[in-house]
Amino acid sequence: NAGVMQNPRHLVRRRGQEARLRCSPMKGHSHVYWYRQLPEEGLKFMVYLQKENIIDESGMPKERFSAEFPKEGPSILRIQQVVRGDSAAYFCASSPQGASTYEQYFGPGTRLTVT
Amino acid sequence: AQTVTQSQPEMSVQEAETVTLSCTYDTSESDYYLFWYKQPPSRQMILVIRQEAYKQQNATENRFSVNFQKAAKSFSLKISDSQLGDAAMYFCAYRPGSNYKLTFGKGTLLTVNP
Repeated sequence: NAGVMQNPRHLVRRRGQEARLRCSPMKGHSHVYWYRQLPEEGLKFMVYLQKENIIDESGMPKERFSAEFPKEGPSILRIQQVVRGDSAAYFCASSPQGASTYEQYFGPGTRLTVT
Repeated sequence: AQTVTQSQPEMSVQEAETVTLSCTYDTSESDYYLFWYKQPPSRQMILVIRQEAYKQQNATENRFSVNFQKAAKSFSLKISDSQLGDAAMYFCAYRPGSNYKLTFGKGTLLTVNP
C-alpha cells in the first residue's frame, strides 16, 4: 500500500513566481492536511480538506496561499507571488476519516526554496 | 492555546545505551493524544509512538517507551539500546480528542555515537 505521495520533493522558485505543491493521499484516505515547517521549527497546521471541501484553513496565510482537493486527482497547495519567507518544508498528511479518531500519515514533504 | 515544549534542542547517546527525550505540554482539555514523531535526514515524518490521555498505562513500541505524567503534563520518550538508525530529529506532538490539529514542539536532534 503506497504511502502519502508528495511532489515535487524539491522546488526552487524565484521571488514573484507561483509554487504548486501536490499531495496524493494514501489509498482509501479522503482527508488531507497541510503543514508547514519553517527552519528550526516544528510543523504548523495550515489547512484541512476533504474531497471538494475546505474544512479548516485557519492556519493558512490569508493572501497568496490557497488549497484544493478536487474530486479527482491530488490535493494542491498553491502559493502565488512567492517571497523568501515562504521557503520551508511543506508536509501533507492524510487520514481515512476525520483525524479526531484516526492517525495522520505524513508524506515526505516538499522543500520549497525561494531565491 | 495548546503549546508543546521540548527543552532539549540536542541530545547525544552512545550506541546501545539509553536516552530520554523530554516534552511538556499545556492544555485545558481532558481528552487528548500525544505523539512522538521521528524525522531522519530524509525528512520523512515517521510516527514512533502514541499515547491516549485516558490511558494510565505508558505506551511502548519495542525499544521505544514513554513516561506519561498527566498531572505534570509531561510526556518523555525513552529509547533503549540505541542504534545508529535512531539518529534523527524527534518531535513531540499534541492533538485534542475532538480536533485534528497536531501541535508540534520544536524538536530535539538526537545524535547516536558509535
